[in-house]
Amino acid sequence: EVQILESGGGLAQIGGSLRLSCAASGFVFRSYAMNWVRQAPGRELEWVSGITSGGGRPFYADSVKGRFTIFRDNSNNMVNLQMNTLRAEDTAIYYCAKGRYGDPKSELDHWGQGTLVTVSS
Amino acid sequence: DIQMTQSPSSLSASVGDRVIITCQASQVISIFLNWYQQKSGRAPKLLIYGASNLETGVPSRFSGSGSGTNFTFTISSLQPEDIATYYCQQYNNLPITFGGGTKVE
Repeated sequence: EVQILESGGGLAQIGGSLRLSCAASGFVFRSYAMNWVRQAPGRELEWVSGITSGGGRPFYADSVKGRFTIFRDNSNNMVNLQMNTLRAEDTAIYYCAKGRYGDPKSELDHWGQGTLVTVSS
Repeated sequence: DIQMTQSPSSLSASVGDRVIITCQASQVISIFLNWYQQKSGRAPKLLIYGASNLETGVPSRFSGSGSGTNFTFTISSLQPEDIATYYCQQYNNLPITFGGGTKVE
């Protein structure tokens, strides 16, 4: 059974940093792209970042480019999102989602339950 | 970025009703279009991929169609457990983009 579990959310100050982690199991982790998708309170889903199965190619939404870094550890079945220079508008539930293929351009077939990030002064 | 426009933003329906949601892409995306269901307080769940393919385990009352820029999602006979918000999502280009959602009440 595929399981995806996010951690690392919490309260951060504007301009501060947080690192989110996503632990996955139940599938051959190194074969699939992984993504982060966020949802601000009462708002729609927003794709934040994705990384190819091998980890060599990260991709970012313009809203986080230069501030967030995605990286994965295929030996430990984990993907992380380092979030720097946080803004109030980064406040959201952050979901980790598995892609169907090795490229982030695919359907997201399994999702974690999300971790809440709150950015405040 | 490709903009995804969903309509309506919300709808009210009764058990047994046919529900239709549309999604329009700002440029041609072939069939690279998925539909997700999100129940209150829960993570999204993939229902339809590649515009018309039913994800394993998803009831057959859900269906999707379309290609190019115009897509349709249908619930043939609404059930109480279908109360949720539904999102379309394109994956023709990065960044992946989602529609604004349709709340089915």
